[in-house]
Amino acid sequence: GEDVEQSLFLSVREGDSSVINCTYTDSSSTYLYWYKQEPGAGLQLLTYIFSNMDMKQDQRLTVLLNKKDKHLSLRIADTQTGDSAIYFCAESAGRRALTFGSGTRLQVQP
Amino acid sequence: EPEVTQTPSHQVTQMGQEVILRCVPISNHLYFYWYRQILGQKVEFLVSFYNNEISEKSEIFDDQFSVERPDGSNFTLKIRSTKLEDSAMYFCASGGGARTGSLNLAKNIQYFGAGTRLSVL
Repeated sequence: GEDVEQSLFLSVREGDSSVINCTYTDSSSTYLYWYKQEPGAGLQLLTYIFSNMDMKQDQRLTVLLNKKDKHLSLRIADTQTGDSAIYFCAESAGRRALTFGSGTRLQVQP
Repeated sequence: EPEVTQTPSHQVTQMGQEVILRCVPISNHLYFYWYRQILGQKVEFLVSFYNNEISEKSEIFDDQFSVERPDGSNFTLKIRSTKLEDSAMYFCASGGGARTGSLNLAKNIQYFGAGTRLSVL
């Protein structure tokens, strides 16, 4: 079945850029998402990209998609302590169920 | 901004009891989903619901689970006889706006509620 993989942990200093990477296996994916989860909280949709795009920028967030390699990344510019959270990569085909990665815990050092 | 709301935020129950988790999806959405996240694990898909019937379900969604849209606003997940391993955070999501025939692909994006933490003792 479909699989989504992410590294488990990333530590950066405040003000640096963070890059969180994700790979997926489903070639029929049409949507790729990044969700943020703070401790004890729900899943906040951060951004998404359609599979016919290769880049999307939204303020401090840049999503890059390499469809050939099935690789997705999320870059957070000027990372702040408030960005500390778990970041989940997810994919879906149309309105079908999302398949999530295990999440990357981002720790921002002051 | 419209949001998905879930109640209760935390439910504690005894093993073998029935629980109903409630969700109010975003009002013009047509597709509804339940996911769960066991502590420290991935978010897993349970079931999707469209046009008053299940459109997709995972192997987790066995006979102990059922979903219902009892009225125009609520979407519920029932667990008939809870087991210890049902302890998890349960997330409701909705997507698929009512506009059709447009190129508005964003209408397929799934938006999540804050979750209900289910603790089975």
